[in-house]
Amino acid sequence: QSVLTQPPAASGTPGQRVTISCSGSSSNIGSNTVNWYQQLPGTAPQLLIFTNNQRPSGVPDRFSGSKSGTSASLAISGLQSEDEAAYFCAAWDDSLKGPVFGGGTTLTVL
Amino acid sequence: QVQLQESGPGLVKPSQTLSLTCTVSGGSISSGSYFWNWIRQPAGKGLEWIGRIYTSGSTDYNPSLKSRVTISVDTSRNLFSLKLSSVTAADTAVYYCARGVTGSWYWDNWFDPWGQGTLVTVSS
Repeated sequence: QSVLTQPPAASGTPGQRVTISCSGSSSNIGSNTVNWYQQLPGTAPQLLIFTNNQRPSGVPDRFSGSKSGTSASLAISGLQSEDEAAYFCAAWDDSLKGPVFGGGTTLTVL
Repeated sequence: QVQLQESGPGLVKPSQTLSLTCTVSGGSISSGSYFWNWIRQPAGKGLEWIGRIYTSGSTDYNPSLKSRVTISVDTSRNLFSLKLSSVTAADTAVYYCARGVTGSWYWDNWFDPWGQGTLVTVSS
């Protein structure tokens, strides 16, 4: 059971906009920043969004992150087939004194 | 750019100690204000942070694993290591090493880059 809660699956058609939610608590998302990782099939996770809404160099601006209260969201606009992947949210947890992850959302491009 | 590579046995017997090494290339493990992490992922499941080490030798561990985990660093060889004792089938997972980066605050941190991961199976 992951500390952060994500829907297990999401889907969309090419060109569509999809959002993935991440729900936490006051000890993690409510008081700290959120990061998102993309895990393409058979590969290691890679950083997609850091500090709630910052994109590393090389990440397309189709990907955006936001946070409100104890929840965060990842939005993908102009959906492409290569966006098929698992997406994980993460945040520092003050109780654990370490980072916690969501269970991951598998995105399917129909 | 910095790259990380995990290495170690792919099969460990129950009750024994799992030992993995993460070799850092493309830069010095001692440069910059980074910390070095181990993270694992059971098949088809989510990610679990195991622990981290700074090049000073200071460590932090996930409380759920703390009694069984030791992370160490060898700056002369540019690598850090994981030892997990008394393993069971529940420890079967892909183990990743990753560099930790801190932003403006200690709680504002993320993992980048990650190693490719190594599958460790616990079985007799």
